[in-house]
Amino acid sequence: ILNVEQSPQSLHVQEGDSTNFTCSFPSSNFYALHWYRWETAKSPEALFVMTLNGDEKKKGRISATLNTKEGYSYLYIKGSQPEDSATYLCASPHYKLSFGAGTTVTVRA
Amino acid sequence: DVKVTQSSRYLVKRTGEKVFLECVQDMDHENMFWYRQDPGLGLRLIYFSYDVKMKEKGDIPEGYSVSREKKERFSLILESASTNQTSMYLCASSFAGGGQPQHFGDGTRLSIL
Repeated sequence: ILNVEQSPQSLHVQEGDSTNFTCSFPSSNFYALHWYRWETAKSPEALFVMTLNGDEKKKGRISATLNTKEGYSYLYIKGSQPEDSATYLCASPHYKLSFGAGTTVTVRA
Repeated sequence: DVKVTQSSRYLVKRTGEKVFLECVQDMDHENMFWYRQDPGLGLRLIYFSYDVKMKEKGDIPEGYSVSREKKERFSLILESASTNQTSMYLCASSFAGGGQPQHFGDGTRLSIL
């Protein structure tokens, strides 16, 4: 089983501050890295699917980078807003998609 | 937009009952998945299917079975519900290939009394 780990488990951010958190995964036989945002009372929503080493993707104030050689991805939130409060999940497929436990972000106004 | 519909948002059943959770997707996706989510444990895969009548065990298949008779519908069956199956259940679908994002339903919060 592929082990995908996320850190920290949770973090609190002041509105307007920027933050980032990590997803680590075994680098052997890498295929892709997925990021999802899961807001309370909603379903998880795909943010990015990344496949190339050095790839960087951006969606509004959220961006992600990928290092497949060392097996990590960072997700960045610039100028956090209350609506960014959610659990952010990363996942990597082996023969199936394995999810990390998530980083729960709480943005305080 | 992709729509993944789960039959119930909330469900309460009794120990020993046979429970059916239904999931329908409208985007002709080949792959369909059932997960459960428990606090601190993230999403854990129960079963998945990559084609009609095909199924593969995930990480925690014990106590569950699935059925995929039509491409758009994937059912999760709790053969004899137990209290440790109280959880949030999420269905997802995607096109074939590990580089395809998954699209999730709203989830079913199942309580077994």
